[in-house]
Amino acid sequence: QQQVKQSPQSLIVQKGGISIINCAYENTAFDYFPWYQQFPGKGPALLIAIRPDVSEKKEGRFTISFNKSAKQFSLHIMDSQPGDSATYFCAAKSGGTSGSRLTFGEGTQLTVNP
Amino acid sequence: KAGVTQTPRYLIKTRGQQVTLSCSPISGHRSVSWYQQTPGQGLQFLFEYFSETQRNKGNFPGRFSGRQFSNSRSEMNVSTLELGDSALYLCASSLALGAWETQYFGPGTRLLVL
Repeated sequence: QQQVKQSPQSLIVQKGGISIINCAYENTAFDYFPWYQQFPGKGPALLIAIRPDVSEKKEGRFTISFNKSAKQFSLHIMDSQPGDSATYFCAAKSGGTSGSRLTFGEGTQLTVNP
Repeated sequence: KAGVTQTPRYLIKTRGQQVTLSCSPISGHRSVSWYQQTPGQGLQFLFEYFSETQRNKGNFPGRFSGRQFSNSRSEMNVSTLELGDSALYLCASSLALGAWETQYFGPGTRLLVL
């Protein structure tokens, strides 16, 4: 019940295209959903995050869509660029001031061809 | 403001040895969490510390332990190392506890157990 399932495992898009990564969760106790971007040899970097009371959040070329009833959320990268090539992780956070944890999806390796 | 720093960045140990990894959070951040990243298991939560107290613990054996100091710096220790402990160990800090507190990751310590 703590799992977050992420798809696809890998994704190849052309420069200027739209990249879409999907995640689904089971645990209704999750109440914060960040996306992280990780380059080889680096730690994950926060990209964008959403709370479950919001259905969509946009920051520049990155948009999170959130469907609370379906327990699904997705990341859309508009106008994908070769510099976006990285591994993307969705995550879900549970807990509060007594303790919390991030549960990560399996990751999506995105390649943007020039 | 400096990010999360982790030392050492790389470490090679042999089976049966023990290892201590260090993490300095972003200035002003009081919560520190640790994660293990492997190709097979992905990113898995180890533990979370706040005000020198462990607030949450993941599903890892007792060989994995940690602590936090009064200046919020944290260390994790792995005793009796096994080959399967080879991984990237990531530290993340946040301002405080709470599900909506963003966690910022360091570059990680890559541990190789021979």
